[in-house]
Amino acid sequence: DAKTTQPNSMESNEEEPVHLPCNHSTISGTDYIHWYRQLPSQGPEYVIHGLTSNVNNRMASLAIAEDRKSSTLILHRATLRDAAVYYCILRASGTYKYIFGTGTRLKVLA
Amino acid sequence: EPEVTQTPSHQVTQMGQEVILRCVPISNHLYFYWYRQILGQKVEFLVSFYNNEISEKSEIFDDQFSVERPDGSNFTLKIRSTKLEDSAMYFCASSEGNLAPSYNEQFFGPGTRLTVL
Repeated sequence: DAKTTQPNSMESNEEEPVHLPCNHSTISGTDYIHWYRQLPSQGPEYVIHGLTSNVNNRMASLAIAEDRKSSTLILHRATLRDAAVYYCILRASGTYKYIFGTGTRLKVLA
Repeated sequence: EPEVTQTPSHQVTQMGQEVILRCVPISNHLYFYWYRQILGQKVEFLVSFYNNEISEKSEIFDDQFSVERPDGSNFTLKIRSTKLEDSAMYFCASSEGNLAPSYNEQFFGPGTRLTVL
């Protein structure tokens, strides 16, 4: 399984944009990039995913580098509720499982 | 909004006892999963289940573990003889079946905290 590298922690001020980076230099052509987050004492929650093109949904945007070796999750206006551990996960074609790393712990300051 | 539910929220058991953790996946989903998270550690994949059989499992999922879909709504994880190291939060998840597995997102339940004494 291809690995991802994320910073251990990041801080953001409330109502400011947050850019959470992820490096995945060994990604293969059929790996999807998925982002999940885990709020305190809860199960992981789906955020967004993509393959090659940038993606937007109501929660966030996903910017994927042209060579696909890195991606960035963008929260446009961080709220206190966005404080969580954010996981960048590569999922190989045909596999069902997620391999979670340690993620980035996002702290949002009021 | 439909959600995955799990019962009980907290289960305490003695070492060597059998436990069954229960999950009700989202009703039109076809793929079901169990993960676990030992306190302070990563979320770990255990098993995926589709069409009444295991489709993928990790090395953690040994002979002590089994899964079952006993009826049209429940999905269970059984641990036959619990060990101290089985203490963890166990998460059930489900996903739709209409697209390739690498595309479908998984919806996770709130978890069952298992404490083995």
